[in-house]
Amino acid sequence: GQNIDQPTEMTATEGAIVQINCTYQTSGFNGLFWYQQHAGEAPTFLSYNVLDGLEEKGRFSSFLSRSKGYSYLLLKELQMKDSASYLCAVRDGGGNKLVFGAGTILRVKS
Amino acid sequence: NAGVTQTPKFRILKIGQSMTLQCAQDMNHNYMYWYRQDPGMGLKLIYYSVGAGITDKGEVPNGYNVSRSTTEDFPLRLELAAPSQTSVYFCASLKGVGGEAFFGQGTRLTVV
Repeated sequence: GQNIDQPTEMTATEGAIVQINCTYQTSGFNGLFWYQQHAGEAPTFLSYNVLDGLEEKGRFSSFLSRSKGYSYLLLKELQMKDSASYLCAVRDGGGNKLVFGAGTILRVKS
Repeated sequence: NAGVTQTPKFRILKIGQSMTLQCAQDMNHNYMYWYRQDPGMGLKLIYYSVGAGITDKGEVPNGYNVSRSTTEDFPLRLELAAPSQTSVYFCASLKGVGGEAFFGQGTRLTVV
C-alpha cells in the first residue's frame, strides 16, 4: 500500500519563503508530483521529481530524496495568490497508481 | 485540444438513483484515473485504468464501477446513490511514466 503524509495547514507572510514537506511509503516508486489547488477548482501541475535532487521552476522548487521517502515544495517570494492547497502525489513502482496525500492548506497573510 | 472533459459539472441525485459520470480525453493518454474529493480533504483514488479494456480498483472503489472500452473514454457509474457519495469527482489522465496528470474540471455531486 501507499502512505503519504503532509502537514494539514501552514501560514506564511507575503514575500517570505515557505517549505511544505511530504513523506511517503510506497510499494515501489515511480515519481512524485506536486499540485496546487485553489478552492473550488481542479488541481494544476507544479512539479515532478523522479530522481534525487532539486528541480527549480521560477518561484517554485521541489526536492526529492528517494532513500528517505521525502520531498518538499519550496515557494519563494510568496504572494497572496499562493494561498491554496498543495497536494503531494506518488506513482507506485508499477507506474500505474497515482495516489495523493491529504494536502496542505497554505494561508498567505499580508 | 480540449484536454480532459467531464460531464456533467453539477448533479443532484436522490438516494437509490443511478448515474454515469462521463470523462473523455483527446490526448491519446493510456492512464486514466477517477478521484473523489470531500470538503477540506485530499483526493481519494476510486478506480484507474492503464489502457482500453483494463481497469483496477483504487483506495475507495465500493459503490462505483468503471469501464474502458476506448482509449478516450473512462465513465464512472454509481448504481445506488447514497449520501456518503456526495463529493466532487475528478477525472485525470496521463500519457505514461514521467508525464504530468491532467485533470478535468470536476463534477459536483449531491445525493439527497
